[in-house]
Formats: sequence, structure tokens, C-alpha cells
Amino acid sequence: DAKTTQPPSMDCAEGRAANLPCNHSTISGNEYVYWYRQIHSQGPQYIIHGLKNNETNEMASLIITEDRKSSTLILPHATLRDTAVYYCIVRVEDNYGQNFVFGPGTRLSVLP
Amino acid sequence: DSGVTQTPKHLITATGQRVTLRCSPRSGDLSVYWYQQSLDQGLQFLIQYYNGEERAKGNILERFSAQQFPDLHSELNLSSLELGDSALYFCASSEPRLAGDTGELFFGEGSRLTVL
Repeated sequence: DAKTTQPPSMDCAEGRAANLPCNHSTISGNEYVYWYRQIHSQGPQYIIHGLKNNETNEMASLIITEDRKSSTLILPHATLRDTAVYYCIVRVEDNYGQNFVFGPGTRLSVLP
Repeated sequence: DSGVTQTPKHLITATGQRVTLRCSPRSGDLSVYWYQQSLDQGLQFLIQYYNGEERAKGNILERFSAQQFPDLHSELNLSSLELGDSALYFCASSEPRLAGDTGELFFGEGSRLTVL
């Protein structure tokens, strides 16, 4: 079972920041928070990941609370092409497939 | 383009039949993962191979099997197909474990299987 809880859906206006929350209250000290997204029925796409510190890349920012029990993915200027299902995953940083557990995710709709 | 290639993109077959899905990982990636995504369902991890050997097994039915060949491509074999096997089947690959790599999975575009 997924170790994360996300809202099933969210809307965001085009050009505004999209803030997608994720709860992971049982996260362990060696588990990272990963975010992926799936646009329509395409293959999931990696967005960002982090352990303790906030992270930023060209796609998004990841804010992790100090107690690490929750995090927020921020898309700073959402576009229509950001409409997708966003998955928050917690896992140890290894190559074992069973540790990549995808939950239902959040369906983000970016509205014009 | 993730660099992971899956064939065929679409496949329609009948119940009781057998199909083979093929995956070519990114150049240099040693791990191959298979996932199943049924209609309106999340991705379910099926099985993982690393450099030709099975590394991890998830919710894979006994009717399904997989292997990874010396050239690192992988095949997922689905037999005695049932209507409920209709789904998107994704393959992903990942880099060998090196310091500093993200541990991310690179997904292919999937094979859509329809069982009639």
C-alpha cells in the first residue's frame, strides 16, 4: 500500500502557482519523497525528489516540513500542459521495484 | 522521450490467448521494471529484473512471466488472458546505483492491451 495521502483532485488557474500537498506521516528517516506525474495515459514522468531540505529544479519546487510528515509540490506558473495526475511517493533510495509504490495521486486540472 | 522503448503500442486479442510485450531500456540502464495500470487504477508494480536476474516481485499473476535477456531488453509474457487483463502495461528502467544519481525511473509510453 502507498505510504502517502493526497487529495484526489485539485483545480488551478493557468499562470498561477499550483500547490499540491502530500501527507506521509509514517515516513522513515532514510526515505525520500519523490514526485512523478502522468499526463493522460502516457508513461509517468519524474519531477523532483528530496530528503529533508527544500529542492528546486526547472520543473518544480518541493517543500518538506521540518518533521518530514508532509510535503508540497509547487508548480510556480501552471500551464494547461501541466494538467495531469501527480503522484507523491516515499521510498528508500535504492533500485528495488517494490519500493516504488504509486497511490491514486492527485488529478490536477489547470483551467484557462 | 525517456529513451525506453515499448512494443507493441496497442494490442487487441481474445480471451485465452497469449501475448508478449517487449521493452528496451535506456542505454546503460541495467534494471527493468514492469507495471500494470488498469482503467482508472493506479500503477501496480509487477516485477523487476536487474542485469538479467529477477530482483523483486510484486503483484504479478502466475499466468504472467517475464525475463531479461543478455542485451538487457525484457519481455513480459501474459497467458490465458482474461477480460480483466485489459490494461496499460508500462516498462521502466533505471541507472545502476551510483553516488549522486536520482534513483528515478524512466518510463516508456506503454503497451495498451485489450482483451475481448
